[in-house]
Amino acid sequence: NAGVTQTPKFRVLKTGQSMTLLCAQDMNHEYMYWYRQDPGMGLRLIHYSVGEGTTAKGEVPDGYNVSRLKKQNFLLGLESAAPSQTSVYFCASSYVQPPSLNTGELFFGEGSRLTVL
Amino acid sequence: SQQGEEDPQALSIQEGENATMNCSYKTSINNLQWYRQNSGRGLVHLILIRSNEREKHSGRLRVTLDTSKKSSSLLITASRAADTASYFCATHSNYQLIWGAGTKLIIKP
Repeated sequence: NAGVTQTPKFRVLKTGQSMTLLCAQDMNHEYMYWYRQDPGMGLRLIHYSVGEGTTAKGEVPDGYNVSRLKKQNFLLGLESAAPSQTSVYFCASSYVQPPSLNTGELFFGEGSRLTVL
Repeated sequence: SQQGEEDPQALSIQEGENATMNCSYKTSINNLQWYRQNSGRGLVHLILIRSNEREKHSGRLRVTLDTSKKSSSLLITASRAADTASYFCATHSNYQLIWGAGTKLIIKP
């Protein structure tokens, strides 16, 4: 059981370049999330998805786009990378707790470390 | 914006001692979760406590929740070197989790 897998694990970009981070989960979870983690700060939510074909903005969505064409995959795109997007990106997934639809525990990938020069 | 704020920011104790970390939050919650992050790794869920619960145990972990004070504490008993990590609380409200900045715990041999 692989859980949540992120690719790539490391990437260096030049300002203005674009790239896509891929997240795949094999737990049949409805919810998926993209976070960024910066030193001295907690996780900040970029975008999230509550099901296949749906996405929503989180706390810090500017400069990022996402897509969830298949339930198991959640893609995070940077159209024109900026140095401020240097960070560690984490994907997570969770199940839904009926009937309240409260989120249970999150399962995280190992992170993707992005440096923008 | 951060909802949860952990205290202390860093904690260094001797192996075998107990470690206590605190988390305060601002708004009403559905549940509160604690996670551990080893250096360079992803976060791992430790324990979830619902808003109608006051205390929960899992192995050497004990979590308390005081909704009147909007605070929670995580106690790790009989600490081990492997407990060295950062610990984060996350509060669940309006279908989202909001995270604190974490407590860095160092266990000295």
